[in-house]
Amino acid sequence: EDQVTQSPEALRLQEGESSSLNCSYTVSGLRGLFWYRQDPGKGPEFLFTLYSAGEEKEKERLKATLTKKESFLHITAPKPEDSATYLCAVQPSGYSTLTFGKGTMLLVSP
Amino acid sequence: SQTIHQWPATLVQPVGSPLSLECTVEGTSNPNLYWYRQAAGRGLQLLFYSVGIGQISSEVPQNLSASRPQDRQFILSSKKLLLSDSGFYLCAWRTSGADEKLFFGSGTQLSVL
Repeated sequence: EDQVTQSPEALRLQEGESSSLNCSYTVSGLRGLFWYRQDPGKGPEFLFTLYSAGEEKEKERLKATLTKKESFLHITAPKPEDSATYLCAVQPSGYSTLTFGKGTMLLVSP
Repeated sequence: SQTIHQWPATLVQPVGSPLSLECTVEGTSNPNLYWYRQAAGRGLQLLFYSVGIGQISSEVPQNLSASRPQDRQFILSSKKLLLSDSGFYLCAWRTSGADEKLFFGSGTQLSVL
């Protein structure tokens, strides 16, 4: 069974304090790993897709990396507006559906 | 550009009442469409997906059903709501090609009382 585990469940940072979120996954074959940002009461907003181990993608203060077993979302010098829940999802090979983790709730204080 | 519309944004329904949530996509044809549910403290749970008109796949046996009467329209329904049907319902569509992405609507917060 495909599984996605995100840690920590919640993370509190001071503005400017860099950190990383973890997404561990178990899947028979990986077609893609996805990161989303979700604000309260809103639908998830797409951030990145990673396809193979060693791949990295960046967007503003966010950088996503991928290994064969996990992905990291690095947040550099975060700002209060980065506060949100970050979701990780995997798409197994041969499937058109995604399996999501429970998310990491990030709070950045000024 | 492609957009996805989902309504209503908020819904309060009594137990035993029917449900109909609608989702439409603009700017693309023959999209793969999805219904997810997000309950408090839980991850996104895939409920149904559709690869074309009249084609529905169910992921979890439950009190809900889905229909796709038109290419860009996806409907989530129930004949009699249960308390456990409360949650945040999200419609999504998936792009095709080498760089696939799943885009979500704004969601419907359903409270069954």
